[in-house]
Amino acid sequence: NAGVTQTPKFQVLKTGQSMTLQCAQDMNHNSMYWYRQDPGMGLRLIYYSASEGTTDKGEVPNGYNVSRLNKREFSLRLESAAPSQTSVYFCASSEAPGPVPSYNEQFFGPGTRLTVL
Amino acid sequence: KNQVEQSPQSLIILEGKNCTLQCNYTVSPFSNLRWYKQDTGRGPVSLTIMTFSENTKSNGRYTATLDADTKQSSLHITASQLSDSASYICVVSVGAGGTSYGKLTFGQGTILTVHP
Repeated sequence: NAGVTQTPKFQVLKTGQSMTLQCAQDMNHNSMYWYRQDPGMGLRLIYYSASEGTTDKGEVPNGYNVSRLNKREFSLRLESAAPSQTSVYFCASSEAPGPVPSYNEQFFGPGTRLTVL
Repeated sequence: KNQVEQSPQSLIILEGKNCTLQCNYTVSPFSNLRWYKQDTGRGPVSLTIMTFSENTKSNGRYTATLDADTKQSSLHITASQLSDSASYICVVSVGAGGTSYGKLTFGQGTILTVHP
């Protein structure tokens, strides 16, 4: 099992360009998440998908859109990149939130390092 | 506002020594607390999890403690190794009665460097 995979690993964009970050998981998890990690700050939730067919905003959704393509795949799109979106982006998945703690362990991908010039 | 604060921000120790990392949180309602290890250039990986009814949990050389009354947790690393060099992140899950809502609040992490 590959776990959570993300593409690309690195990307440089110019201000105003668009791009889509791809994420896939092979653990048959129901929930998927997109985070950004900035220096000196904790990971912040951008969007999440509690189950296939649903998406919801997190803490910092402005400037982003997401698509839960199927149970395995969850993409993050930057329509018009800005320098403030320079960050490391992590995708994560979990079996489902619920009463059993192990169910809500989030498994993270390796990250995409994005630079917007 | 839910917050997780970690200290110290960074720590340098010699191989073989022990160390303790701290985490204070104001998340409510509390469901569980995890410690994650994040190696440079990698995603975080879970080390331990504790619910409100647990006050200690071990995973090899890693021992986490939780005081739900004071809302503090610590991660103790015994006999450190070079491979322990990483960022350690305290993560608190929002929930009630043991049920997690799946929403996490992350600390900013403690960067641990182990020197030979």
